Amino acid sequence: DTEVTQTPKHLVMGMTNKKSLKCEQHMGHRAMYWYKQKAKKPPELMFVYSYEKLSINESVPSRFSPECPNSSLLNLHLHALQPEDSALYLCASSPSQGVGYGYTFGSGTRLTVV
Amino acid sequence: AQSVTQLGSHVSVSEGALVLLRCNYSSSVPPYLFWYVQYPNQGLQLLLKYTSAATLVKGINGFEAEFKKSETSFHLTKPSAHMSDAAEYFCAVSVNFGNEKLTFGTGTRLTIIP
Repeated sequence: DTEVTQTPKHLVMGMTNKKSLKCEQHMGHRAMYWYKQKAKKPPELMFVYSYEKLSINESVPSRFSPECPNSSLLNLHLHALQPEDSALYLCASSPSQGVGYGYTFGSGTRLTVV
Repeated sequence: AQSVTQLGSHVSVSEGALVLLRCNYSSSVPPYLFWYVQYPNQGLQLLLKYTSAATLVKGINGFEAEFKKSETSFHLTKPSAHMSDAAEYFCAVSVNFGNEKLTFGTGTRLTIIP
């Protein structure tokens, strides 16, 4: 298995809703990442987990809450989002954080906040 | 901090012509450099990477890139463009200095003219 699987593929949520994005990989990778990509822009790093511990938090608002329950799973919990949070959310993984590994990306969750 | 600059947000080439996408990097330590491709409504796929081994790197789909330290460049080339190459291309950099993270350029949209 050489894939990163993200669910759901599309999500529409209201500003008062609570929802979660899920990311799963079975490549034995020990680093996992959340990126946010707005239309016609490059991906922007949100969070990095290394060996299930939060390694980098790029000053993301607290309405985004990451969770790494085990080495194969990464969740992003969403609460009280704003319309400007609408974007493509990409999950990625790599064998470990560091030493120039390329990342394997999932196909993303297209989030629309109404 | 490390960064990459992609020259040309849009590049158009005729089918069968040479593809050249430009990327220049800035880093105070030896960088790792990557090229990713993104097709519409999909995640990012790694084309190739430079990690201080050979300066000429060959990737998937017939693409290659050459690391030139004197020019701080890592341009992506393909001898003969195919219609299926139409996509968004991102150059990215990371450095092995503390908490490594991947930083993307602004992207280049490649259009293939039949």
